[in-house]
Amino acid sequence: GESVGLHLPTLSVQEGDNSIINCAYSNSASDYFIWYKQESGKGPQFIIDIRSNMDKRQGQRVTVLLNKTVKHLSLQIAATQPGDSAVYFCAERDTFTSGTYKYIFGTGTRLKVLA
Amino acid sequence: GAVVSQHPSWVICKSGTSVKIECRSLDFQATTMFWYRQFPKQSLMLMATSNEGSKATYEQGVEKDKFLINHASLTLSTLTVTSAHPEDSSFYICSANSGTQYFGPGTRLLVL
Repeated sequence: GESVGLHLPTLSVQEGDNSIINCAYSNSASDYFIWYKQESGKGPQFIIDIRSNMDKRQGQRVTVLLNKTVKHLSLQIAATQPGDSAVYFCAERDTFTSGTYKYIFGTGTRLKVLA
Repeated sequence: GAVVSQHPSWVICKSGTSVKIECRSLDFQATTMFWYRQFPKQSLMLMATSNEGSKATYEQGVEKDKFLINHASLTLSTLTVTSAHPEDSSFYICSANSGTQYFGPGTRLLVL
């Protein structure tokens, strides 16, 4: 079936460096994508989203890039801080002809920020 | 962003008992809520879509008689794990849409 996967299960970066977390998705019809941050024992926290008619969107210290040609999504975190240590998930939204939708989550990448 | 709450945050119960988990949208109305479960070091797995005023839509492999969902109002959905067993121990998370998808803090269930 359709799936969203990540290339790297764990990413270690030095504090102050930039982080890039990648995600591959397989449903070319997905129209909306979200990046979430999940800290241990907590629910996922919304970071940034992007619609399929865009290829880049910037937030505070974060940028999401969407490459529909190769079905690839990435999250860039600038000047990574210790508080950024968490598991990051990408999610794609599948919308059905009925108008209903659901989200499919990737496997997750653990980001470790080294002091 | 929008706030979604869950209650309880954690629960321990004996095998065979039923456990009800509440999901509330605090500052918005949600005709649709989603229930996920998450095992340690794994991703979120969608269990079902909760629809206000109608039956929930369950994902393949999820027993609807085991995981009862009720979405009686625009701000509340409940998930009842019936006759819980140790293998039902997991982290249950709900979400609701308000422009985008917001998640609750999760409920950790431990079945002894």
